[in-house]
This record gives sequence, structure tokens and C-alpha cells, in this order.
Amino acid sequence: GAVVSQHPSWVICKSGTSVKIECRSLDFQATTMFWYRQFPKQSLMLMATSNEGSKATYEQGVEKDKFLINHASLTLSTLTVTSAHPEDSSFYICSASSGFTDTQYFGPGTRLTVL
Amino acid sequence: AQSVTQLDSQVPVFEEAPVELRCNYSSSVSVYLFWYVQYPNQGLQLLLKYLSGSTLVKGINGFEAEFNKSQTSFHLRKPSVHISDTAEYFCAVVNNAGKSTFGDGTTLTVKP
Repeated sequence: GAVVSQHPSWVICKSGTSVKIECRSLDFQATTMFWYRQFPKQSLMLMATSNEGSKATYEQGVEKDKFLINHASLTLSTLTVTSAHPEDSSFYICSASSGFTDTQYFGPGTRLTVL
Repeated sequence: AQSVTQLDSQVPVFEEAPVELRCNYSSSVSVYLFWYVQYPNQGLQLLLKYLSGSTLVKGINGFEAEFNKSQTSFHLRKPSVHISDTAEYFCAVVNNAGKSTFGDGTTLTVKP
């Protein structure tokens, strides 16, 4: 299947700083990318959906000014956690697909720890 | 609105035994159905999917699932499990607008 990478795989930052996470589709053009958050022993919570060249669509309850998503090309989407706080510590997973209802290919995830 | 219920949070089973992981869903529109597997500290890997056609879907690693529209279920099965199948399994639905909803997951533990 298609390969999606995330970078970094693990990051620790101080409270109040911003962190950028990259999601890349390595061997296909991802018109749609999704960002999820997963708490320990819990399911994935969809944060936002982004289409290349368009503004991201955020799920209810997700602060768009805090979680900035950019999908500038068909192979790259970024999630920036601005002014991170300890409660933002989580496992962030991206997925990419060629269309809304096509199979999603998931990245390996990024574990964010905010001190 | 749509929802997914994975009926078993944990399923312990002995190696080479059969296993069924249950998934029920609710939706007011047609949906597509997926099963994913997640190993510790990793992303999700697609096991199989149902989009249309035959209700019995075969996936990777010997898994299969059957779509039952009347019972709104999409149970995952494997006739003989291996130690390496120990992982978290997620059932998911996607509607025509691309909105994904995941179940809470089932932890499959295969014992020797």
C-alpha cells in the first residue's frame, strides 16, 4: 500500500512553545489529509480534514487557532501546535487519501510531550 | 450522525484458535466500512474494507469480515490466530462526505 511518513516521530517541548509536525505521502498524491489525536488506550479523534490548496475543516471543539493546519502541496501537510500546554500532550496521527471516501493511509504517528 | 460500537474492549485468545472481533455501526446515510490494526506506538494499518459488492471481504494476514446491512454489523474474523496478531483493532465508518468515525478499539491478546 501507499506510504505516509510523519516527522518527527517524537518531540518534547516546553510549555508556551510551538511545535510543527509534518505529514508526507511518499508515493501518491494526497488530495485529502486528515489529522487525528489519540489519547492512551483510546480511539482516534478526528481533528481536521484538509484538501490541497484549501483551508482545513476543523471538527467541533477543535481550536483552529491553536492547531494550525497547512496543506500546501499534494504530498505535504503540516500541523502546528501553537503555544503548547501539557494538556496538548498526545499522539498525533495523520492520514492521506486520494479522495474523501478513498482508503486512508496512516502515518506512524508523532508523540508530543509538553513539559 | 454516525457511530461505531466495538462490543468487546479486550479479547484474549489462545494461539491457533479462531477469533471474532465485533463491530456494529449506526448511520443515517450509506457508509463505507474499514478495519484497521495498530501495533504499539505505531499508526494504523488497513486490514480490509467494504465499499460495495460482495458482503464477505478478505483482507491481509488472513483476516476477513462480513458486512451485514440488516444487523448493521461488520465483524472481523480469523480462523487461526498467531502471537503476532496481538494488537489493537479499530473498526471505522466513512460517509459520503468523507467523515470518519472510529470505534473505541478492541485489544486482541494472543496467548501461547
